[in-house]
Amino acid sequence: AQSVAQPEDQVNVAEGNPLTVKCTYSVSGNPYLFWYVQYPNRGLQFLLKYITGDNLVKGSYGFEAEFNKSQTSFHLKKPSALVSDSALYFCAVRANTGTASKLTFGTGTRLQVTL
Amino acid sequence: EPEVTQTPSHQVTQMGQEVILRCVPISNHLYFYWYRQILGQKVEFLVSFYNNEISEKSEIFDDQFSVERPDGSNFTLKIRSTKLEDSAMYFCASSEKRGTDTQYFGPGTRLTVL
Repeated sequence: AQSVAQPEDQVNVAEGNPLTVKCTYSVSGNPYLFWYVQYPNRGLQFLLKYITGDNLVKGSYGFEAEFNKSQTSFHLKKPSALVSDSALYFCAVRANTGTASKLTFGTGTRLQVTL
Repeated sequence: EPEVTQTPSHQVTQMGQEVILRCVPISNHLYFYWYRQILGQKVEFLVSFYNNEISEKSEIFDDQFSVERPDGSNFTLKIRSTKLEDSAMYFCASSEKRGTDTQYFGPGTRLTVL
């Protein structure tokens, strides 16, 4: 079975400071990893994904994530946070098998960026 | 930019009633999904659909649930006899391919069962 852990319910950071939102995963075989963001009363918006290749993946709005196979982690990062980044962030994993399609999500981390 | 749309945004129903949640996936996408998020909990996979048949479903997706693509644009989720515990936000998603492809999500339908 595949699973995702987001150990922090909330991350607080001051605007302009770097941010990290943590994610670890468990899946059979090689993973496909995704980050989504959810703003209030909105759906899930895709930020970035790791499929293969370079362990550092760049995505929308200046976000990036680093895939670390030995630590089974896929932490989301941004060098300089904005107040407008405040939202709920979800990490998700999908198994790299022929028939798999479902995404398994973590419980989400609320990012609060303050002035 | 193409988007997944869902209607209605909020549905209130009585326990035991049937509800149909509607989704219009992105037009060139071939794979369709339903997920749900009970308030305060994680997003959970319900079902995936391709080529007019279910390709994968979770334990949640029991006989009370069904999906259909009634025409070339709509994708629906039907709950035959709603229970209180079906109250949740239901998200539709679509992807162009299955493998490595990104699933794009709609804004969700909040279902409240009284």
